[in-house]
Amino acid sequence: GNSVTQMEGPVTLSEEAFLTINCTYTATGYPSLFWYVQYPGEGLQLLLKATKADDKGSNKGFEATYRKETTSFHLEKGSVQVSDSAVYFCALSDNYGQNFVFGPGTRLSVLP
Amino acid sequence: NAGVTQTPKFQVLKTGQSMTLQCAQDMNHEYMSWYRQDPGMGLRLIHYSVGAGITDQGEVPNGYNVSRSTTEDFPLRLLSAAPSQTSVYFCASRSQGWAYEQYFGPGTRLTVT
Repeated sequence: GNSVTQMEGPVTLSEEAFLTINCTYTATGYPSLFWYVQYPGEGLQLLLKATKADDKGSNKGFEATYRKETTSFHLEKGSVQVSDSAVYFCALSDNYGQNFVFGPGTRLSVLP
Repeated sequence: NAGVTQTPKFQVLKTGQSMTLQCAQDMNHEYMSWYRQDPGMGLRLIHYSVGAGITDQGEVPNGYNVSRSTTEDFPLRLLSAAPSQTSVYFCASRSQGWAYEQYFGPGTRLTVT
């Protein structure tokens, strides 16, 4: 079946450091890929998405590129801020749109 | 648009009690789902629905019932609460189709004593 693997962390960085959170997936066909963010005490919000190979999703300084050859969708940000502290979830939606699979989440803490 | 709304925000139950968690969306989405989130477990799918009158089980359906009588509403019923059901519950909705993202409600934090 479909699955998503991501580094579980926690990840602790200093403000202005470079962030990478790795995400790899297993799926048949051509899934859509998503990154969600969950701030403390809140629900999940969509951060960015990509729907086909080589697409780059971007939002709020975060980027991720859909790499079909490596089945990856790594999240990056050049300079993190304290306000980026949250849990980040990688997810996929399969071709049929019925199956939405989440990774386990990665907790990020950014220190001033 | 209010998006996805959930009530209540917090709830404490005693073992054996029943209750219904409410979920509503105003985006005319066909697909709705319920997840539970536990520390270290990520999100686990409880039940989902692809339209009014159609529901199906997810990964962890035991102890929960759902129904979908309208497009807007998707309540989750706990039949006889157990301490193992202590969790944060999220409702989500989306349009049908693989390219569409899910929209989440703010969550219900449930404690069963």
